[in-house]
Amino acid sequence: NAGVTQTPKFRVLKTGQSMTLLCAQDMNHEYMYWYRQDPGMGLRLIHYSVGEGTTAKGEVPDGYNVSRLKKQNFLLGLESAAPSQTSVYFCASSHGGGQFFGPGTRLTVL
Amino acid sequence: TQLLEQSPQFLSIQEGENLTVYCNSSSVFSSLQWYRQEPGEGPVLLVTVVTGGEVKKLKRLTFQFGDARKDSSLHITAAQPGDTGLYLCAGPLGFGNEKLTFGTGTRLTIIP
Repeated sequence: NAGVTQTPKFRVLKTGQSMTLLCAQDMNHEYMYWYRQDPGMGLRLIHYSVGEGTTAKGEVPDGYNVSRLKKQNFLLGLESAAPSQTSVYFCASSHGGGQFFGPGTRLTVL
Repeated sequence: TQLLEQSPQFLSIQEGENLTVYCNSSSVFSSLQWYRQEPGEGPVLLVTVVTGGEVKKLKRLTFQFGDARKDSSLHITAAQPGDTGLYLCAGPLGFGNEKLTFGTGTRLTIIP
């Protein structure tokens, strides 16, 4: 089992560009999450999903959109990237207890 | 406002020493989780404590949940370089367990 995988691992964008981060899990988990991690700020929840076809806002949702068309995939979109979105993004999944995290995507917005 | 406060923020000690890091809140949590994150990787779940006063051991790591379920501690005995990492505590938000709030972490460095 691969667990939770994320693509890409690194990306550099210019201000105003768009991109989609892909998260996939093979553990049949119902819940999936997108976090961002910034120095001194810890992990902050962007959006999450409690099942296929559902999404909900987390703590810092502005500037991001998500979709969960298939149970195993959770996509995070940035429509118009801003320098404030420079961060490391983590996807996680769970069955309602502890969360399993992917390796992260390091995004830089110039 | 951070619901979970972790201390110390940074800790650097020599191999073989003992240490304790803390996770504190003014709120009651139904459970608390501890994660370790190594550089360039995602956090990995170490343990979940669910009962007030509970103590769980994972080799040289001892986790304790406070009696009032507002705090937790992690004690490492005879620290090794492999213990180096960012230690995060997390607790569920709201009535369900689908969302977690994380502390800002303790960055631990073990010097060989």
